[in-house]
Amino acid sequence: NAGVTQTPKFRVLKTGQSMTLLCAQDMNHEYMYWYRQDPGMGLRLIHYSVGEGTTAKGEVPDGYNVSRLKKQNFLLGLESAAPSQTSVYFCASRGAPGNQPQHFGDGTRLSIL
Amino acid sequence: AQRVTQPEKLLSVFKGAPVELKCNYSYSGSPELFWYVQYSRQRLQLLLRHISRESIKGFTADLNKGETSFHLKKPFAQEEDSAMYYCALKPQGGSEKLVFGKGTKLTVNP
Repeated sequence: NAGVTQTPKFRVLKTGQSMTLLCAQDMNHEYMYWYRQDPGMGLRLIHYSVGEGTTAKGEVPDGYNVSRLKKQNFLLGLESAAPSQTSVYFCASRGAPGNQPQHFGDGTRLSIL
Repeated sequence: AQRVTQPEKLLSVFKGAPVELKCNYSYSGSPELFWYVQYSRQRLQLLLRHISRESIKGFTADLNKGETSFHLKKPFAQEEDSAMYYCALKPQGGSEKLVFGKGTKLTVNP
């Protein structure tokens, strides 16, 4: 099993460009998450999903949109990239019940020029 | 609001020495606490959680509700323990918002 797979691994964008990060999990997990990791800030939750077709805002949702059209995929979109969104993005998933741990992907390093 | 504080950004010890990574939390209820580890060039992975009361790779962590702490300890550090360590809190009541501390970078010197 691949677990949680994120694509792409690296990307450089210009300010104002748009892009979508893909997260795929093969563990049949209900819950999926997008985090950003910045130096000295730890991981902060952007958006999450508790099941197919559902999404919810996390701690830092502004400037991002998400979609969960299929259970195994959770997409993170940047409509108009800004330099402040330069970060490492991590996707995670977990199964039920509520005390199951989150499994993380390898991360996507995104630079906005 | 929930908060997780890891007071040490960097921690350096020698191989064979005891190590303790501190984690304090702010939460009025009964949280679930976790330690995640990220080795160089690897993904973040769960190390242990308080409900399991387990020892993983020689590490243990005890939840102290009185002191609101969940410190990670290992009696004899190894060089392969060098990594970033994150303490995380999950509020009770079904919230999905796992709150992370800012992390402690542990370096174990030979």
